[in-house]
Amino acid sequence: DGGITQSPKYLFRKEGQNVTLSCEQNLNHDAMYWYRQDPGQGLRLIYYSQIVNDFQKGDIAEGYSVSREKKESFPLTVTSAQKNPTAFYLCASSRAATGNTIYFGEGSWLTVV
Amino acid sequence: AQKVTQAQTEISVVEKEDVTLDCVYETRDTTYYLFWYKQPPSGELVFLIRRNSFDEQNEISGRYSWNFQKSTSSFNFTITASQVVDSAVYFCALTPEYSSASKIIFGSGTRLSIRP
Repeated sequence: DGGITQSPKYLFRKEGQNVTLSCEQNLNHDAMYWYRQDPGQGLRLIYYSQIVNDFQKGDIAEGYSVSREKKESFPLTVTSAQKNPTAFYLCASSRAATGNTIYFGEGSWLTVV
Repeated sequence: AQKVTQAQTEISVVEKEDVTLDCVYETRDTTYYLFWYKQPPSGELVFLIRRNSFDEQNEISGRYSWNFQKSTSSFNFTITASQVVDSAVYFCALTPEYSSASKIIFGSGTRLSIRP
């Protein structure tokens, strides 16, 4: 089935550690995104990429890093510089053309212990 | 400036009741897209509908219907004969037509609870 796969679903991290969330899509979409959602809140854009080997900061990029070495993959690293990393992270993708629908993965819960 | 307002933070109804979720938007663009997404307890955002600003025809899909009115800048979502499985958070969203999808703006969401 075509879709967006995020892993792991649940992740626990000790303070001071970096952690990488995986996102893979087989929809042949050019654009990929990472959003953060805090409990009871809306979505905030962390990073996005419209083409391989290129990405841009979103509204809350500090403390995060990404790479886009392959069209299908857009991993997100939550670094120790991110002061409040406990949240729900959603990966998404879309066709690159304007106005296209964004499709989301199942999300990853990150908890800092 | 673009903005999406979902004034209803939480709604609770009894199963089989009809329920309408409100969405009001602000934009200076003449062409844009509006969306609705459903977020069940599992967390994934599920795409429900995309509507182009030029198409004001109402849409019906099974028990779901959408009422788009440019005159009032509203894109409301109605669930007829609600079911427990409809319990979720619903997000309305807006993106200008000539912008990257990264410019999509989400409302704060409406939490819908359907009681058996």
